[in-house]
Amino acid sequence: EAQVTQNPRYLITVTGKKLTVTCSQNMNHEYMSWYRQDPGLGLRQIYYSMNVEVTDKGDVPEGYKVSRKEKRNFPLILESPSPNQTSLYFCASRPASMNTEAFFGQGTRLTVV
Amino acid sequence: AQKITQTQPGMFVQEKEAVTLDCTYDTSDQSYGLFWYKQPSSGEMIFLIYQGSYDEQNATEGRYSLNFQKARKSANLVISASQLGDSAMYFCAMGPGGGNTPLVFGKGTRLSVIA
Repeated sequence: EAQVTQNPRYLITVTGKKLTVTCSQNMNHEYMSWYRQDPGLGLRQIYYSMNVEVTDKGDVPEGYKVSRKEKRNFPLILESPSPNQTSLYFCASRPASMNTEAFFGQGTRLTVV
Repeated sequence: AQKITQTQPGMFVQEKEAVTLDCTYDTSDQSYGLFWYKQPSSGEMIFLIYQGSYDEQNATEGRYSLNFQKARKSANLVISASQLGDSAMYFCAMGPGGGNTPLVFGKGTRLSVIA
């Protein structure tokens, strides 16, 4: 089954404790991206990647890191999480062909206390 | 830069009635795509419908249709014969023609279907 898999689905952590949210897709898509969703703000881009070893900042990259060492994986790293990073996070992937919809993971609800 | 505007934070519709969710966009690209996603209370993002900027016909997918007015830069979603299961958050999004950047999303419209 074609899918984007995020882990974990839910995470509560403390300020400053490094964490990684994993994202994996099995569709051989070139493009992968991370969004955060906050009430009233919609989905905002954090980072995206057009292919292996190619990453770019989105609209809200501060406090986040990503890597794309393999085509299928695109982990999101919070080196020192803060309470303002409490949010719902989505990973998405798309093929390189024009105007194809993005496929989303199930979401990760992160709470930083 | 691309921008999506959804001006209706929330809407109510009676079951079996049709409803239109508004979406306007701004872009300098000639080639682009417009997308609608549904997010039920369970949280997942469900793709509904796509319209390409060069498509002459409005897209339709079952009870969903996209009212595309290029000159007005609008891409409204029309849901016919609303069902209780249509209650959800709806997001309009756009992507560049080259597909080399992520989709840009609006802030969403929460639709509530009343029995």
